[in-house]
Amino acid sequence: DQQVKQNSPSLSVQEGRISILNCDYTNSMFDYFLWYKKYPAEGPTFLISISSIKDKNEDGRFTVFLNKSAKHLSLHIVPSQPGDSAVYFCAASASRSGATNKLIFGTGTLLAVQP
Amino acid sequence: DAGITQSPRYKITETGRQVTLMCHQTWSHSYMFWYRQDLGHGLRLIYYSAAADITDKGEVPDGYVVSRSKTENFPLTLESATRSQTSVYFCASRFAGVDYGYTFGSGTRLTVV
Repeated sequence: DQQVKQNSPSLSVQEGRISILNCDYTNSMFDYFLWYKKYPAEGPTFLISISSIKDKNEDGRFTVFLNKSAKHLSLHIVPSQPGDSAVYFCAASASRSGATNKLIFGTGTLLAVQP
Repeated sequence: DAGITQSPRYKITETGRQVTLMCHQTWSHSYMFWYRQDLGHGLRLIYYSAAADITDKGEVPDGYVVSRSKTENFPLTLESATRSQTSVYFCASRFAGVDYGYTFGSGTRLTVV
C-alpha cells in the first residue's frame, strides 16, 4: 500500500517556466514532509521541507505548499533551469508517532527542463 | 573524507550467493537506513537503526539482514540473493531530530543473475 504517491512519473517544462510537482499521501499521522532531488548515479539530496503546522515554505526558487485537508503537497520551481532536470522524490514522516522518524518516499517524478 | 560512503558501487552476483553491501559514515549520526530504489516503487525502506546494536525492519525487510556493532557502520547482507533483489541500494544517515533530514550515500547497483 503506497502511503506517499507521486502520480506523474515525468514532467517536461521549458526553461524559465514554472515546474509544479505533486504529491499525495494517505496517512493522516504524517506531519513532516520533504522533497529530495536525485541526479543519475548519485544519492538523493535534500531540497526543502515543511512541517504540518505550516502551509507554505520557500527557499529561493523552490516553494513547497501543503494542503492538509486534501493530504496533498506540491513543489514549485520558478524559474525552472536545465540544471533542475532530475528525479524528485516526495517523502513524509510521522514525527509524533513516537517511533523513529523514518521517511516514507513516493515513487518519484522525472523532471526535464528544456532549454 | 567526511561523509557517507557505500561500497562497492557496482556488484554482480549469482542467485543463491550471500552478498554484503557496506555503509560507513563519519558524522557519528545515530540513525542509519537502507533503502532500495526500483522503477515504479521509488525508494523503499529495508531496515533502519537508531543506534549501535538497535535495528528494526522497514517496509521490505524479507531476504535481508543487518547489523550495527559500531555507530559508523551499517552493513546490509543478502543471505541468499534472488533476482528480485536486483536494485540500487542507498544507505542514509541523520542526527536525531527530523529537521536534519537524511544524507544519502551514492548507492550500490546490485545485479543478481
